[in-house]
Amino acid sequence: DTGVSQDPRHKITKRGQNVTFRCDPISEHNRLYWYRQTLGQGPEFLTYFQNEAQLEKSRLLSDRFSAERPKGSFSTLEIQRTEQGDSAMYLCASSLAWGTQYFGPGTRLLVL
Amino acid sequence: KNEVEQSPQNLTAQEGEFITINCSYSVGISALHWLQQHPGGGIVSLFMLSSGKKKHGRLIATINIQEKHSSLHITASHPRDSAVYICAVRRETSGSRLTFGEGTQLTVNP
Repeated sequence: DTGVSQDPRHKITKRGQNVTFRCDPISEHNRLYWYRQTLGQGPEFLTYFQNEAQLEKSRLLSDRFSAERPKGSFSTLEIQRTEQGDSAMYLCASSLAWGTQYFGPGTRLLVL
Repeated sequence: KNEVEQSPQNLTAQEGEFITINCSYSVGISALHWLQQHPGGGIVSLFMLSSGKKKHGRLIATINIQEKHSSLHITASHPRDSAVYICAVRRETSGSRLTFGEGTQLTVNP
């Protein structure tokens, strides 16, 4: 499968714990995006990378959130001291320059 | 008011019917996307367009830049078309990020 992959697909954690999600984009894609989607809503932009550079961050991305793309390939999204309001689907997408964004299957996070 | 508004929120149709989902936006855009999301979360990109009309199989997407409006049409609808359809725009001033509508839940009954 040469699409966008995300790991894990599901994560249950207790409030206050740290979690880390991984996204592997389509290999030749230089842009990588993170979005968050809560139940019944459309996705919301969190951040995006061009190669290893983080070019945009949403105001939604509080100090507890950090994202990296160290070698311009895979990316990680870490949430520290999780809160119940962080429960959502975290979606990763990749694209080649301004082209179509291809989405991964998402990581569903539940914070108890 | 959201920058991207979709209508209707929910749509139920009988198999074979012609379906239209509408998207209006209030900002200048460089591109508009139509996406399909099935239960379980996976999102598939259907179209990316910046003018005119695109067709793929039974799906047609149109955009009117002057009126800030786009439509997604499904001809000869089928139960497998049942999904959430999401409109998203790439704003002129926001680089690559997409701003999404809330989606239209389509159910096609056999």
